[in-house]
Amino acid sequence: SYELTQPPSVSVSPGQTARITCSGDALPKQYAYWYQQKPGQAPVLVIYKDSERPSGIPERFSGSSSGTTVTLTISGVQAEDEADYYCQSADSSGTSVVFGGGTKLTVL
Amino acid sequence: QVQLQESGPGLVKPSQTLSLTCTVSGGSISSGSYYWSWIRQPAGKGLEWIGRIYTSGSTNYNPSLKSRVTISVDTSKNQFSLKLSSVTAADTAVYYCARMNPRIFDYWGQGTLVTVSS
Repeated sequence: SYELTQPPSVSVSPGQTARITCSGDALPKQYAYWYQQKPGQAPVLVIYKDSERPSGIPERFSGSSSGTTVTLTISGVQAEDEADYYCQSADSSGTSVVFGGGTKLTVL
Repeated sequence: QVQLQESGPGLVKPSQTLSLTCTVSGGSISSGSYYWSWIRQPAGKGLEWIGRIYTSGSTNYNPSLKSRVTISVDTSKNQFSLKLSSVTAADTAVYYCARMNPRIFDYWGQGTLVTVSS
């Protein structure tokens, strides 16, 4: 079955830039979405359609796409950004939803 | 403001069927072009999409769970439900219901922990 691959962990110091990648063969055809999840909470959408930011999400969150890889970038990371981040997309047919394995962002 | 709330047994015996219901408030489940979805998350692990049902009643399931999953909708009660058969300890997880609009999970329930144990 279709899979999205993320690095298990990313660590950055406050104020630095964090980049989290998500790779999948169908990403050139299907949009990607990014969610932030903090302990004990449901996920929250931070990026949709590869690079669009929902209202209420800080401008330091951005997304980009290149071929089979999409990237979530957090510029000027703050302590409150420490969380798990998941990419979400669909298989090439669009009928099956897939989540990446998740990336734990640690703010040092 | 749409709200979703999961309900159902917190403990299920191995080989039995897990049954959960999601009650939607703040809007009609049959209006708009939405999918109503189930997602689960084992403790300390990632999110796994289980399946979804459209307002028309059509369904899509995760291929890895398809043989054991049924999602249905009861528009009169503004609810949709999950049944997962032949459960094992590997099905122990927090189960979330969520709305897809149409590809974004924009509203989530708080999640409910289901433990599979004898």
